[in-house]
Amino acid sequence: QQKVQQSPESLTVSEGAMASLNCTFSDGTSNNFRWYRQHSAKGLEVLVSIFSDGEKEEGRFTAHLNRANLHVSLHIREPQPSDSAVYLCAVSMGNAGAKLTFGGGTRLTVRP
Amino acid sequence: EAAVTQSPRNKVAVTGGKVTLSCNQTNNHNNMYWYRQDTGHGLRLIHYSYGAGSTEKGDIPDGYKASRPSQENFSLILELATPSQTSVYFCASGPRVQDTQYFGPGTRLLVL
Repeated sequence: QQKVQQSPESLTVSEGAMASLNCTFSDGTSNNFRWYRQHSAKGLEVLVSIFSDGEKEEGRFTAHLNRANLHVSLHIREPQPSDSAVYLCAVSMGNAGAKLTFGGGTRLTVRP
Repeated sequence: EAAVTQSPRNKVAVTGGKVTLSCNQTNNHNNMYWYRQDTGHGLRLIHYSYGAGSTEKGDIPDGYKASRPSQENFSLILELATPSQTSVYFCASGPRVQDTQYFGPGTRLLVL
C-alpha cells in the first residue's frame, strides 16, 4: 500500500525567504502528484499538479518531481504571512487514479 | 472552480446513534469522495463514487456506508456511531479519476 511521508512536520520562515517542503512516496508507478494547502478549519485548495519528472510552476509555487528518487517537493517563493497553513502532498498510483494517498502535512508559519 | 458544500458543518452525536453527513456539488463532476482527517494520519479515503448509483470502498470503509442518489449528492452514513469516528470529514469531487479533486469545507463530528 502506498505510503506518503512529508517533512518537516513544521517549518517557520521569515516573510520573503524561500520555503521548501518535501514529500516522499513508496510506489514508483505513481504518476499523479498534487500539493494542497489547508488554512485552519477550512477545506483544501489545490496549488500545483505535476505528472512527469521535472518542475511545474504555478505563480509563486513550484513543484519538483523526481520519480527515481521517489520524491516530490514544493517551493514557495516570497512567502507571505497569509501563506501560513498546512501543506499536504497527495499521490496517486498507476491506473488507480481515483484514490489519492495523502501525506501527514507540513505546518508552515511565515513570520512578518 | 468546483463548488462543494457539506452539511452539517458541526455535529455532536451519541454513541450508537445514526449520523448522516451530506455533500452537494454543483459542477456536474462524475466522481465524489469522502475522507476523514485525523492528527497523525492525514486524510484517508473512506468511500468514493464514479457516478449516480455507484459507491466504492476506499481504504478505511469499516463502520461507514455511502449513498450516491444523484450526480450532485453523496452521503456518508454512520449507522452506529462510535467515539473512534470523531473526526473531521471532507467531501470532494472531480471530473475524471486523474483530475484534481475539489474539496468541501469539512464537517466536524464529535461522537460522545
